[in-house]
Amino acid sequence: TQLLEQSPQFLSIQEGENLTVYCNSSSVFSSLQWYRQEPGEGPVLLVTVVTGGEVKKLKRLTFQFGDARKDSSLHITAAQPGDTGLYLCAGDRGSTLGRLYFGRGTQLTVWP
Amino acid sequence: NAGVTQTPKFQVLKTGQSMTLQCAQDMNHEYMSWYRQDPGMGLRLIHYSVGAGITDQGEVPNGYNVSRSTTEDFPLRLLSAAPSQTSVYFCASSYGFTSGPEQFFGPGTRLTVL
Repeated sequence: TQLLEQSPQFLSIQEGENLTVYCNSSSVFSSLQWYRQEPGEGPVLLVTVVTGGEVKKLKRLTFQFGDARKDSSLHITAAQPGDTGLYLCAGDRGSTLGRLYFGRGTQLTVWP
Repeated sequence: NAGVTQTPKFQVLKTGQSMTLQCAQDMNHEYMSWYRQDPGMGLRLIHYSVGAGITDQGEVPNGYNVSRSTTEDFPLRLLSAAPSQTSVYFCASSYGFTSGPEQFFGPGTRLTVL
């Protein structure tokens, strides 16, 4: 059973479009992170959200942590081909030192 | 800092062979972990360690062993390779609880078991 459910699994859009990726759970998390992974490389941290209702912006990327700390979303405005990659959400339940629970990922392709 | 390094980058094994995937970090991180990544499955935790001499199982530990004799190194051993272990393996490290669980990943080892 996957603790974090990500949707959609695949997303293929044209440059300039907006998109949202969702990360949902029935469990509460101490914090939630978003990573991006490019082919042949390891995931790289984009952002960490720790407070319920928190919103963080990273250029054209907006991350939100749900009020109940059970879900998160990633919104990209005016997507560019450079945004192409695998986006992974990961949650920390605070019970085991440093352990993260990963979603299955969203493969985003942005066409020029 | 080199960050997290993994060797080898690619490996092909025959069924039944054993091997060790190497992982090292130079950031003095307490927490280290091994994941496998298969298409559509995200990252699944194999084993993790919260410090030298301390290891524990993740969600898919069968067929793998680990040890943590130093803070820097966390090797993953495949005891008797099986085709089901064909995957991409990532090692990660983090500061642990005191500075948040943000994990730094190595570049991965792509393993094929024939």
